[in-house]
Amino acid sequence: QKEVEQNSGPLSVPEGAIASLNCTYSDRGSQSFFWYRQYSGKSPELIMFIYSNGDKEDGRFTAQLNKASQYVSLLIRDSQPSDSATYLCAVNNNNAGNMLTFGGGTRLMVKP
Amino acid sequence: EPEVTQTPSHQVTQMGQEVILRCVPISNHLYFYWYRQILGQKVEFLVSFYNNEISEKSEIFDDQFSVERPDGSNFTLKIRSTKLEDSAMYFCASSRPGEQYFGPGTRLTVT
Repeated sequence: QKEVEQNSGPLSVPEGAIASLNCTYSDRGSQSFFWYRQYSGKSPELIMFIYSNGDKEDGRFTAQLNKASQYVSLLIRDSQPSDSATYLCAVNNNNAGNMLTFGGGTRLMVKP
Repeated sequence: EPEVTQTPSHQVTQMGQEVILRCVPISNHLYFYWYRQILGQKVEFLVSFYNNEISEKSEIFDDQFSVERPDGSNFTLKIRSTKLEDSAMYFCASSRPGEQYFGPGTRLTVT
């Protein structure tokens, strides 16, 4: 059973702070890693993807991947109240079907 | 910016009825997917579709479910005889392959 685990939160940070979201996965064959943002009642919105060990930065977002530790994280710098949402970690082992396995999400609250 | 679209946004049906959920994937994408999310739970994979055939399906995707690409743009999910436990948000997604982009979802309510 392939598992993706996230702390459900809520994670509360003040506006302007760095929010750090973490995710672990069980399948060592996983190759691709994604972070989605989901506002309440809405669909998942892709915000970051990472395929190689190390860091990947895009604007205020940095994704970090450590395959040896089976760990992926998302840092959000200069957090804004509009970043308040549930952040979903998703993992793909690049099998034929490209199936994504999702974690349960971490709810982030950014307080003004 | 191209996006995945889904219709209807909300479908109410009675137990035992058939429903068809419709999706228009992003036009140059080759892989199409259906996921569902029961209220308060994880997003769960149902099925992936490539080159006019199912490439992978989950245990949830039993004989009551089917998918079809009836023309060059639409991708549909049919549930033949709905059950109460089929009530969920159903998301269509597409990819080139690579990153998967989700549609806005159809909320299915089975009464």
